[in-house]
Amino acid sequence: DIVMTQTPLSSPVTLGQPASISCRSSQSLVHSDGNTYLSWLQQRPGQPPRLLIYKISNRFSGVPDRFSASGAGTDFTLKISRVEAEDVGVYYCMQASQVPYTFGQGTKLEIK
Amino acid sequence: EEQILQSGGGLEQPGGSLRLSCAASGFTFSDHGMSWVRQAPGKGLEWVSHITRSARSVFYVDSVKGRFSISRDSSKNTLYLQMNSLRAEDTATYYCVKEDLGDLSLWGQGTLVTVSS
Repeated sequence: DIVMTQTPLSSPVTLGQPASISCRSSQSLVHSDGNTYLSWLQQRPGQPPRLLIYKISNRFSGVPDRFSASGAGTDFTLKISRVEAEDVGVYYCMQASQVPYTFGQGTKLEIK
Repeated sequence: EEQILQSGGGLEQPGGSLRLSCAASGFTFSDHGMSWVRQAPGKGLEWVSHITRSARSVFYVDSVKGRFSISRDSSKNTLYLQMNSLRAEDTATYYCVKEDLGDLSLWGQGTLVTVSS
């Protein structure tokens, strides 16, 4: 199984400041079809997760442009340019290039 | 508006069975693969099972193989998860998820399954 490792696991951030989360996979996520099925999800307190970013760097419908992502192969990053109060929650990276799909441990974003 | 409405779940004894359902609306159900993802209390996310849009192929995480069965009824726009031989470690909130070619794009509200005597 592909292991997804996120850092940091906790990220206290000041409102208006940037935040960054890293995700590393134990093997390349490049699928045989040429796509890299690496996505980022946000789970606000008491809510189901929601898709933020798909295929490394594509913002999902309705996601603010302060969220951006990049990466390739085994190393990926999610960035928030200016953190807002509504961004509090847990962020997960996830790979769907190989079954079983696997998630990172989650990074808890909180306001200082 | 795309929606997933989940039902089923609840309290069951170890060794018992439960069936989860989720009804999809607002999108063409038969065009999408579907997955179940679970989250134990206070823990992270774990993918459980996937069914292709045609139902021709199904996949499971090792810990549920032989005990859980995923299925779909496109005439009812409904996804199912039959859970047998339940264990305490199956206790979790279970999410029904619509996929767009590997992207978990729409999540149900979740349903809590508690396995306890």
